[in-house]
Amino acid sequence: AAGVIQSPRHLIKEKRETATLKCYPIPRHDTVYWYQQGPGQDPQFLISFYEKMQSDKGSIPDRFSAQQFSDYHSELNMSSLELGDSALYFCASSFGPTNTEAFFGQGTRLTVV
Amino acid sequence: GQQLNQSPQSMFIQEGEDVSMNCTSSSIFNTWLWYKQDPGEGPVLLIALYKAGELTSNGRLTAQFGITRKDSFLNISASIPSDVGIYFCAGGGMILTGGGNKLTFGTGTQLKVEL
Repeated sequence: AAGVIQSPRHLIKEKRETATLKCYPIPRHDTVYWYQQGPGQDPQFLISFYEKMQSDKGSIPDRFSAQQFSDYHSELNMSSLELGDSALYFCASSFGPTNTEAFFGQGTRLTVV
Repeated sequence: GQQLNQSPQSMFIQEGEDVSMNCTSSSIFNTWLWYKQDPGEGPVLLIALYKAGELTSNGRLTAQFGITRKDSFLNISASIPSDVGIYFCAGGGMILTGGGNKLTFGTGTQLKVEL
């Protein structure tokens, strides 16, 4: 069965650079979530989209922005990167605006040097 | 922010043993889910619970949604080496704040299995 696809899997950026992470949800899933997981930490909710509209917002820095496109894929844009942004970034998808049964991608490991 | 407390933090058991872990919250959730995460990989959904008191099984896994909606437990029977990993509980749809569909994750339980 098709899963959530994230790209790239690994990304190395310097401080103050920008990064764009991409997420392709499971086919027919209309809701996308972004989570950030620091080393040894649990995933923290950043932002979610349902039918291309932002549906919820968590602890996402103002330097980050995201959107969901007409084909339901999503991109997380991160600017003015800081060392503390180094983490695993996961995208998850689900079907419907209230379904909490989310399926996660393999993640993007971002390292800021 | 809101955090779910999982216990134990880590467990080291022998192959064939049963495992039990739980998750508690100060807030009510509409749904409880259990995920397993291998190092460097994404969380994999194991079990989803939707009703208070619900007991659900998935192979050797059994999970329950607490009556108070503030807790859940996961049991793994007859553990095998591939059960190694970090297990996370996650609560969704907080009733009090109308949190929608985001998930709040627990602190995780690291399981190690000795052959």
